[in-house]
Amino acid sequence: QVHLVESGGGVVQPGGSLRLSCTASGFPFTNYPLHWVRQAPGRGLEWVAIISYDGSKRSYADSVRGRFTISRDDSKNTLYLQMNSLRVEETAVYYCARGTYASSSVEYLDSWGQGTLVTVSA
Amino acid sequence: DIQMTQSPSSLSASVGDRVTITCRASQNIRTSLNWYQQKPGEVPKLLIFAASSLQSGVPSRFSGSGSGTDFTLTISSLQPTDFATYYCQQSYKVPLTFGGGTKVEI
Repeated sequence: QVHLVESGGGVVQPGGSLRLSCTASGFPFTNYPLHWVRQAPGRGLEWVAIISYDGSKRSYADSVRGRFTISRDDSKNTLYLQMNSLRVEETAVYYCARGTYASSSVEYLDSWGQGTLVTVSA
Repeated sequence: DIQMTQSPSSLSASVGDRVTITCRASQNIRTSLNWYQQKPGEVPKLLIFAASSLQSGVPSRFSGSGSGTDFTLTISSLQPTDFATYYCQQSYKVPLTFGGGTKVEI
């Protein structure tokens, strides 16, 4: 059974940093791309970043590029999101999600963690 | 970036109703379109991938159709457990983008 567990959320001041972790189990970690998706309180879903199955490719939403870094440690089955220069409007629940490819090569997010809350406030 | 526009943003329906939600992409995304359901306080759940493929374990009353720029999620007979917010999401090009959501209410 696929299991994703996020941790590392909390309260941080504007301009501060935080590192989120997502520990995976129940599937071959190195076979899958992984994503971060966030959801501000009462708002919709916003995609944040992706890292390829082997860590060789990373992409970011324009809103976080240059401030956030996605990485993975395959020896620990763990995904990370280093967040720097945080802004008040980035207060949100941050989810990690597994990417899977259909036979048509369409990628979809088939498993999600429970999320970790990041609050950016003075 | 590819913009995803869902309509309506909310709707009221009754148990047993047929419900249709539409999603429009700002450019051709072929069939790179997925649908998710999110209930209050819960994690998003994949319903449909690649525009029309039903995720394992999802009831057959859910179906998806479309290609190119126009897509539809249909619930053939609304059940009490279906009251939730539904999101479309394109995976044709990074950055992945979600629609704004459609809240289905009683």
